[in-house]
Amino acid sequence: TQLLEQSPQFLSIQEGENLTVYCNSSSVFSSLQWYRQEPGEGPVLLVTVVTGGEVKKLKRLTFQFGDARKDSSLHITAAQPGDTGLYLCAGAGETGANSKLTFGKGITLSVRP
Amino acid sequence: NAGVTQTPKFRILKIGQSMTLQCAQDMNHNYMYWYRQDPGMGLKLIYYSVGAGITDKGEVPNGYNVSRSTTEDFPLRLELAAPSQTSVYFCASSPDRALTYEQYFGPGTRLTVT
Repeated sequence: TQLLEQSPQFLSIQEGENLTVYCNSSSVFSSLQWYRQEPGEGPVLLVTVVTGGEVKKLKRLTFQFGDARKDSSLHITAAQPGDTGLYLCAGAGETGANSKLTFGKGITLSVRP
Repeated sequence: NAGVTQTPKFRILKIGQSMTLQCAQDMNHNYMYWYRQDPGMGLKLIYYSVGAGITDKGEVPNGYNVSRSTTEDFPLRLELAAPSQTSVYFCASSPDRALTYEQYFGPGTRLTVT
């Protein structure tokens, strides 16, 4: 069974601060995704990374896939209250052929004005 | 495009009642999924489908059933509702781009069983 551990579980920061959160596993994934979920809504896809060592940027968000494709990080620069939400990482199995994703339990981020 | 739609948005069931959660997508995606989300537990896969007429169990299928007669629709049936099925249910679809299974989620159904 593939597991994804996300840390920290909760994070409360002041507007303007920088932060990094993590998604770790002992398993290899063919690709990894990050989603953001706001209260009362479904998760929304932010990014997909597929190559070991890959770095993708989405405005103030920087996503990195580990070289061994077992882990990922999300760095937010100058956090804003609009970044508040639940951040979920999800991985597709090593061969990519099992048609489904494994989700982590999520990181709850609160950015105070 | 409406994307993924789910009905109802909220529902209260009594123990032992049955109901069907509806899910539809208009993006012509072959892959569809049902998840439940409980506080602090992330998303648990209930059932999924890789195309019309094909369904498979996920991590927590007990107490649920699905069918996939068309590409667009993927209803989830709860038989004999139990308090343990109180949860938020999300339907998702995926275009299976390069085997990454990127998910497009519906707005969810909040179900309470009392």
